[in-house]
Amino acid sequence: DARVTQTPRHKVTEMGQEVTMRCQPILGHNTVFWYRQTMMQGLELLAYFRNRAPLDDSGMPKDRFSAEMPDATLATLKIQPSEPRDSAVYFCASGSGADTEAFFGQGTRLTVV
Amino acid sequence: AQTVTQSQPEMSVQEAETVTLSCTYDTSESNYYLFWYKQPPSRQMILVIRQEAYKQQNATENRFSVNFQKAAKSFSLKISDSQLGDTAMYFCAFMKPAIQGAQKLVFGQGTRLTINP
Repeated sequence: DARVTQTPRHKVTEMGQEVTMRCQPILGHNTVFWYRQTMMQGLELLAYFRNRAPLDDSGMPKDRFSAEMPDATLATLKIQPSEPRDSAVYFCASGSGADTEAFFGQGTRLTVV
Repeated sequence: AQTVTQSQPEMSVQEAETVTLSCTYDTSESNYYLFWYKQPPSRQMILVIRQEAYKQQNATENRFSVNFQKAAKSFSLKISDSQLGDTAMYFCAFMKPAIQGAQKLVFGQGTRLTINP
């Protein structure tokens, strides 16, 4: 059963701490997306990779957020330092890049106190 | 830039009734894709249905169907014989083809649908 796997599912951290969220895309998928969901802003695209190369990270605050794909089976999203306004659900999604839909992971609920 | 608008923040119907969720979008593209995603309380985003803009025929998946009006830039979702398990947030989403640039999904704000027993 192919699925996108995100870890951790939940994370509570103190303001100023580094947070790392991980995503394992579906095997064979070459596009990876990071989305953030909040009540106020809805679903926002933070970053988008194709074949491990970042294509669009315009939605990501550059001073504290970074997204990488160390290899085809792992995508990471880091926040350093974290702030209370970063509290949200962060979704990773992957696609085959052939104009198909994106498949989402179950998200990481981040709470920064 | 593309925008997607869902004008109904919340809807509520009785089980077995039919309900239609509205979605409009704005784009200058002629070819694109439209989707409806469902997000139940488990928060998993689940694809419900997809429509290619170049296809005139409306997509259908079992009890779910769409009314795609390209000229009006409208893409509504109809749920027939609604079930309790249909209770969820529903998101309309737009995507350009990969050849036209970043293949990102642009989402509407969502409609919270409640099916009452």
